Amino acid sequence: DQQVKQNSPSLSVQEGRISILNCDYTNSMFDYFLWYKKYPAEGPTFLISISSIKDKNEDGRFTVFLNKSAKHLSLHIVPSQPGDSAVYFCAASDQTGANNLFFGTGTRLTVIP
Amino acid sequence: DSGVTQTPKHLITATGQRVTLRCSPRSGDLSVYWYQQSLDQGLQFLIQYYNGEERAKGNILERFSAQQFPDLHSELNLSSLELGDSALYFCASSYSGANVLTFGAGSRLTVL
Repeated sequence: DQQVKQNSPSLSVQEGRISILNCDYTNSMFDYFLWYKKYPAEGPTFLISISSIKDKNEDGRFTVFLNKSAKHLSLHIVPSQPGDSAVYFCAASDQTGANNLFFGTGTRLTVIP
Repeated sequence: DSGVTQTPKHLITATGQRVTLRCSPRSGDLSVYWYQQSLDQGLQFLIQYYNGEERAKGNILERFSAQQFPDLHSELNLSSLELGDSALYFCASSYSGANVLTFGAGSRLTVL
């Protein structure tokens, strides 16, 4: 059962515009959410995170929004750059202390120059 | 270079065989995690070790086993391989169960 879902396998955006990647989760015990970026032939790299006590976290061009009531989070990239083209994974962890992450299936972002 | 080293990068083998994937965590990290990414799937958590001890288990098959050695490197053993075991296997490390994991580049296993 996929507890973290990314329903858009791919997204294409023009350079300079906003990219919005979405993620839904089902487990209300999740309290920490992360986005990872993955380039081909590399492992995922951490991008940005948000705790459940917040509804927004910003880091440069990247902002993550969390809507706990809807069990939804999104990653906004503004402005989008060609170097942002990658697969983006949403991940969540719960309060059990198991310290493992549940990942979505990823969204492939293509930023068109 | 993330600091997490995985070998081999690619491995092709036949059904019924056994393979071992190796991971060296980032210097100073005590926790090692193994994830499996099959085609069009997210990363599925397999198992976590912390300082040599098994800490958490995910959807790891009984045909799979892992261990973490005193020098903190880890090995994932996959036996009686089936076609469906073909996947990317990622190792990740963290200092102590921290939420932010550092991933290696992965080992791509192809079972023919």
